[in-house]
Amino acid sequence: DIVMTQSPDSLAVSLGERATINCKSSQSVLHNSNNKNYLAWYQQRPGQPPKLLICWASIREFGVPDRFSGSGSGTDFTLTINSLQPEDVAVYYCQQYHTTPPTFGQGTKVEIK
Amino acid sequence: QVRLQESGPTLVEPSETLSLACSVSGASISNYHWSWIRLSPGKGLEWIGYIHRSGRTDYNPSLKSRVTISLDTSKNRVSLKLISVSAADTAVYYCARVLYDRMFWFDPWGQGMLVSVSS
Repeated sequence: DIVMTQSPDSLAVSLGERATINCKSSQSVLHNSNNKNYLAWYQQRPGQPPKLLICWASIREFGVPDRFSGSGSGTDFTLTINSLQPEDVAVYYCQQYHTTPPTFGQGTKVEIK
Repeated sequence: QVRLQESGPTLVEPSETLSLACSVSGASISNYHWSWIRLSPGKGLEWIGYIHRSGRTDYNPSLKSRVTISLDTSKNRVSLKLISVSAADTAVYYCARVLYDRMFWFDPWGQGMLVSVSS
């Protein structure tokens, strides 16, 4: 299985500041046939199920604020939250869908400083 | 808007069978594909398995010998059965939609259901 490792496990950021979450896969999730990275990001707010934010490493889902952005390729990826808002307090997960079984990172908890 | 809701027993005894249903509203289950995923303190998020709208299934090898996922089109719901459970199967169980065959990103998810395995 592809192992997904996120860093840090948690971070506290002031309102309006930037939060950066890293995700590393144990194997490349870049598909050679279409040059796409098979990576998604989810947000799980307290008491809620995970919500898809980004797929294909950088494509935001409809309705996701543009302060959320995804980047990276191959084995190293980043989720950036610009200008952190109170509603962004959540656990964030990366997930690869390049190889079955799909696997998730352990999660990164984002809090307000 | 597609909505998913899990239901079933919240407490299962060790060695028994865990049975959950995912009721889908806002869409026919025959038009999409579906997965079950669980979240536990020990293992984090773990993909359990997948069912294509045709009924073809794919399971996590770690659970394959114990899992069955099926479709009930008459009730528009997706079912999960996990046999011979142990405390390690205590988790929040989610169902989720898979939009494209074997493109395993998940959207949306059900609210989730906490199932405890204990005597």
